[in-house]
Amino acid sequence: DAGVIQSPRHEVTEMGQEVTLRCKPISGHDYLFWYRQTMMRGLELLIYFNNNVPIDDSGMPEDRFSAKMPNASFSTLKIQPSEPRDSAVYFCASSPSPDRNYGYTFGSGTRLTVV
Amino acid sequence: KQEVTQIPAALSVPEGENLVLNCSFTDSAIYNLQWFRQDPGKGLTSLLLIQSSQREQTSGRLNASLDKSSGRSTLYIAASQPGDSATYLCAVRPLDSSYKLIFGSGTRLLVRP
Repeated sequence: DAGVIQSPRHEVTEMGQEVTLRCKPISGHDYLFWYRQTMMRGLELLIYFNNNVPIDDSGMPEDRFSAKMPNASFSTLKIQPSEPRDSAVYFCASSPSPDRNYGYTFGSGTRLTVV
Repeated sequence: KQEVTQIPAALSVPEGENLVLNCSFTDSAIYNLQWFRQDPGKGLTSLLLIQSSQREQTSGRLNASLDKSSGRSTLYIAASQPGDSATYLCAVRPLDSSYKLIFGSGTRLLVRP
């Protein structure tokens, strides 16, 4: 298995532009998570999906952030408009079933820089 | 509110030394605890997962222990190597209905040749 695949690896954009981050979870994993990592706040959960349905989006910082999972093999995290304080590393993770005490597999992350 | 603390924040040791990384959490109501490794500019690699009913898990030179009642976990690395240099993060999954992981801020390890 290729693991959790995220794209792009790096993104540099100007303030005000729309940014879309992409994630392909491991096949058969029913849960998908989006995390953000910053120096100040560490790793924080933004949103997670179960069987393509958003379950908890309480970590999404503002209405500028939105996430979708149109099918079991693809998810997007969109920021519109982007701001410099959104600069961070965004990770996607998937899990087969947290209820069974399985762990989480993380992607390599997307490093976003908003200038 | 669950809080996870890792001490020390940074550690530098000579190659070959055995070392212990510490993780503490404030609420013992957890499903499991997971240790990750993060290399600079890279993603997180899962090292060990300890279920709440378990006391320890081992993988190669790594051994993780869990004392749920006292809210502590340790990651023991035997015979450290320069390739072990990375940031080590622990994360707990609370027992509540949420599936979010609560992460510590990590211990940055440097193993000197």
